Amino acid sequence: GAVVSQHPSRVICKSGTSVKIECRSLDFQATTMFWYRQFPKQSLMLMATSNEGSKATYEQGVEKDKFLINHASLTLSTLTVTSAHPEDSSFYICSAAGNGNTIYFGEGSWLTVV
Amino acid sequence: AQTVTQSQPEMSVQEAETVTLSCTYDTSESDYYLFWYKQPPSRQMILVIRQEAYKQQNATENRFSVNFQKAAKSFSLKISDSQLGDAAMYFCAYRITNAGNNRKLIWGLGTSLAVNP
Repeated sequence: GAVVSQHPSRVICKSGTSVKIECRSLDFQATTMFWYRQFPKQSLMLMATSNEGSKATYEQGVEKDKFLINHASLTLSTLTVTSAHPEDSSFYICSAAGNGNTIYFGEGSWLTVV
Repeated sequence: AQTVTQSQPEMSVQEAETVTLSCTYDTSESDYYLFWYKQPPSRQMILVIRQEAYKQQNATENRFSVNFQKAAKSFSLKISDSQLGDAAMYFCAYRITNAGNNRKLIWGLGTSLAVNP
């Protein structure tokens, strides 16, 4: 079946630095990728939708200058958390949609900002 | 606005028994998909089952089946012969069919399922 790989699975960074999370579709071309944030014991909160070759569409309340999303190819989208702060610590999940009807999820990335 | 409601924050079931998780949704669209996703402690989101709104037949995947009532906008998940590995958060989700590039999922808040041995 389709596989979406997310890397790194865990990252610790210092406050004020930037960190990049990658989301790759391994065996299909993902025309659209989604980035979520999930707080403990809560549902997924959609941050942005990225379409290959175009600017990401951010959900209301998500700072586009802080959470930079790039979808440069049909198999790779990246989320960069810029000038990270402890409140950015969270679980981030990507998902990818190809030409079919199902959306596949990456394994998620734990970000801890210290 | 499109919304998905899961009214049961927590459920429990005895091993080998059957449990039903409820989900209702609100939409003015006629063509859409409904999904149940499972999120175990590993946090990996796993697709459990999918239902196309135009299909009257309820989807089934092994021990998992749905009761899709389109008029009532209800989409419940039944887990038969529950196993310890079924313990997880279960999320109901919706998206419209002819969405072009806007295929985002609308999520319920989730139901935490415990399976008791």
